[in-house]
Amino acid sequence: SQQGEEDPQALSIQEGENATMNCSYKTSINNLQWYRQNSGRGLVHLILIRSNEREKHSGRLRVTLDTSKKSSSLLITASRAADTASYFCATRPLRGETSGSRLTFGEGTQLTVNP
Amino acid sequence: DAGVTQSPTHLIKTRGQQVTLRCSPISGHKSVSWYQQVLGQGPQFIFQYYEKEERGRGNFPDRFSARQFPNYSSELNVNALLLGDSALYLCASSLSPTGGTPYNEQFFGPGTRLTVL
Repeated sequence: SQQGEEDPQALSIQEGENATMNCSYKTSINNLQWYRQNSGRGLVHLILIRSNEREKHSGRLRVTLDTSKKSSSLLITASRAADTASYFCATRPLRGETSGSRLTFGEGTQLTVNP
Repeated sequence: DAGVTQSPTHLIKTRGQQVTLRCSPISGHKSVSWYQQVLGQGPQFIFQYYEKEERGRGNFPDRFSARQFPNYSSELNVNALLLGDSALYLCASSLSPTGGTPYNEQFFGPGTRLTVL
């Protein structure tokens, strides 16, 4: 079963609008990562935020992390039709555990950006 | 530079059959992980291999096995296929199995779509 939960499950917006997706998780983490997936293809790494960071930016992406609430958000500003994809958060457990570098993914948010 | 490659792209099998999926990591990457993604869900961790040794296993039955070769490529085997094994199987490579640095992010291949009839 998935540790993470994203909401909303689906989001439809117009080009130029901002899109915000949220992710919650259950266990202590080393870092949290966001991935993008187009039409059931491979995952593309977007951004990584460590457990001691609160906010991170990369181009039009802004990620926040609240470890006290075990939640993260991904904001895509000035969205484009090409941003249409599924977005997943994934957590890496704390070091020292036997899980190596396994990632635990959420269920994903399907984002549709209408031209 | 070539990214992570997986073969075959698509595969159709019938219940009870066996399947082998292949993955070639990015050059220089020594760790390979396998994930199963059922339609409409997020990927689930199956295995991680590093330097030909298993370094992690997810909650999958013993019908699932894997191995890593000296050139760091990897195979995932699934025996006695069930309808529920139909999924996209993703392979990811990274430099090493541990860490939380950007230099150790996992790079995913395009996946193998397995359909079990």
